[in-house]
Amino acid sequence: QVQLQESGPGLVKPSQTLSLTCTVSGGSISSGDYYWSWIRQPPGKGLEWIGYIYYSGSTYYNPSLKSRVTISVDTSKNQFSLKLSSVTAADTAVYYCARAHYYDRGDYFAGWGQGTLVTVSS
Amino acid sequence: QSVLTQPPSVSGAPGQRVTISCTGSSSNIGAGYDVHWYQQLPGTAPKLLIYGNSNRPSGVPDRFSGSKSGTSASLAITGLQAEDEADYYCQSYDSSLRKGVFGGGTKLTVL
Repeated sequence: QVQLQESGPGLVKPSQTLSLTCTVSGGSISSGDYYWSWIRQPPGKGLEWIGYIYYSGSTYYNPSLKSRVTISVDTSKNQFSLKLSSVTAADTAVYYCARAHYYDRGDYFAGWGQGTLVTVSS
Repeated sequence: QSVLTQPPSVSGAPGQRVTISCTGSSSNIGAGYDVHWYQQLPGTAPKLLIYGNSNRPSGVPDRFSGSKSGTSASLAITGLQAEDEADYYCQSYDSSLRKGVFGGGTKLTVL
């Protein structure tokens, strides 16, 4: 069973870059079966898709975040990563990594990490 | 303001049936994109509950069912149990926004 685990700093200063890594276990990120995703949830609010990456490196980003987001993959470590630049308090959220099944009628998130809270504050 | 509209809350007594609606538009649900549902228990990550409008992943009880018609979708829960108390989110793809979109979530309270 494929499991995902987020890691990274829980506190980031305003205007800095948020960096998180998701480690995949129980399956290969290079299998080609899934797109590897980041989703966030501000405290007490709903879910927002950030973007995803295929093992080949192809990326798809939320247009509203695209100018600040970079998602990368390291197949040798079975990991993928998120960088979000120029953060503000509005970026405070629980960040989840997830595996997405992508097909002709959309996509869905078949498995999720436990999530990690990132707070933006000086 | 979410692209997919869900009622903020629904409630029901144990054993009852409840439904949660998800209303979209011609650029998402109405355009033929599938609807998926997630259950988020308090303090935990969301869990896939229904995919492809009406399919249940392995391990999800058949008390949960999904349907889609036109620009809307629904999640039905029968034989309500205390452990069903959670937030429920619908999700689809929007061709105008060029991104996956979630509903605002519905809090289910078991009375």
